[in-house]
Amino acid sequence: GDSVTQMEGPVTLSEEAFLTINCTYTATGYPSLFWYVQYPGEGLQLLLKATKADDKGSNKGFEATYRKETTSFHLEKGSVQVSDSAVYFCALSSGGTSYGKLTFGQGTILTVHP
Amino acid sequence: GAGVSQSPSNKVTEKGKDVELRCDPISGHTALYWYRQRLGQGLEFLIYFQGNSAPDKSGLPSDRFSAERTGESVSTLTIQRTQQEDSAVYLCASSRNPTSSLLEQYFGPGTRLTVT
Repeated sequence: GDSVTQMEGPVTLSEEAFLTINCTYTATGYPSLFWYVQYPGEGLQLLLKATKADDKGSNKGFEATYRKETTSFHLEKGSVQVSDSAVYFCALSSGGTSYGKLTFGQGTILTVHP
Repeated sequence: GAGVSQSPSNKVTEKGKDVELRCDPISGHTALYWYRQRLGQGLEFLIYFQGNSAPDKSGLPSDRFSAERTGESVSTLTIQRTQQEDSAVYLCASSRNPTSSLLEQYFGPGTRLTVT
């Protein structure tokens, strides 16, 4: 079945540091890939997405590239801010008869210190 | 416009009791999903409704769990004879058109269920 594996956290960084959160997946067919973010006290919200190989999703300075050859979708940001402190979830949707169903990774807690 | 709403926000119940969780999706969203998030874990898919099609119940963990949705509106997730392992945050999400590759799901704030 489908699965998503994220790097274990928590991740603690200083402001302006470079961020990478690794995500790899196993899926049938050609899944769509997503990063969701959950800020403290808020609901889960979509951060960025990519729907086919070599697509790059980007939003709020975050980027992730859909790498089919390595089945990866690593999240990166060049300079993190305190406001980026949150839990980040990598997810996929396989489409086909399972269209709509998201499979999530376990989440990575990011804390950014001033 | 209003987002996805869920009620109650918190529910504490005794083991063995039944509970009912409610989700109001965004108006016009044909698809509705339920997920469960146990402490320190990722979200687990439970059930998916799309229009008038038969729901995808493949994620329901046991026959104690059931869900209903009337048309394209409110959904109710029912857990019968609750167990302590049912303690989790139950999240509802809706989307406009799941056959689109964009497939963005909008999540509600969740219901935190504690079974004592």
